[in-house]
Amino acid sequence: DIQMTQSPSSLSAAVGDRVTITCRASESIGKWVAWYQKKPGKAPKLLIYQASSLESEAPSRFSGSGSGTEFTLSISSLQPDDFATYYCQQCNTYPVTFGGGTKVEIK
Amino acid sequence: QLQLQESGPGLVKPSETLSLTCSVSGGSVSSSSYYWGWVRQPPGKGLEWIGSVYYSGSTTYNPSLKSRVSVSVHTSENHFALKLSSVTAADTAEYFCARGPAENYDLRSGHWVGAFDIWGQGTMVTVSS
Repeated sequence: DIQMTQSPSSLSAAVGDRVTITCRASESIGKWVAWYQKKPGKAPKLLIYQASSLESEAPSRFSGSGSGTEFTLSISSLQPDDFATYYCQQCNTYPVTFGGGTKVEIK
Repeated sequence: QLQLQESGPGLVKPSETLSLTCSVSGGSVSSSSYYWGWVRQPPGKGLEWIGSVYYSGSTTYNPSLKSRVSVSVHTSENHFALKLSSVTAADTAEYFCARGPAENYDLRSGHWVGAFDIWGQGTMVTVSS
């Protein structure tokens, strides 16, 4: 199985900060990465698909980049609603696998 | 707008079978453009893909659960279902159903793979006697 390693596992940031989360795949997966936001008691919300495409209902402050084995999710200006856990998912190879998550907390 | 809703028992005894249904409204499970899947999250842990089904009935499962899991699609009732047998406390989790666009076909495995763009709200299942 392809392992997806996210870093950091948690971070503290203030409203207005730029935040970057990294996901590394154990082998090349092209552009096939998705990013989700997960809040307690809520369903995951798809933010980015195919590494850099913004899901239609996701705010434009979210962006994704990367290809091959290294991918990033960026939040240009952190908003109060963005405090959550973020997960990457490789969508290239069976079985699909998720990263361990990055919890974004209020500083 | 497409909506998914999980339903099923919130408490299952060890060694028994967990059964959940995902009802689809505002769209059809018979669409060839999508596959339908299940993902779970144990308390305090990350997300784990369980399995997926295509409208044709073709299925794909997480190898770690393959011997115990079954996912099926019921086109006449517009829902799909999950069965997980021989459950233990380790199967206690929030279970989500989700829709995935059929955009990437893994030639090596012969399965649709991809992201999930629409999710149900989730249902908590506890395994306990």
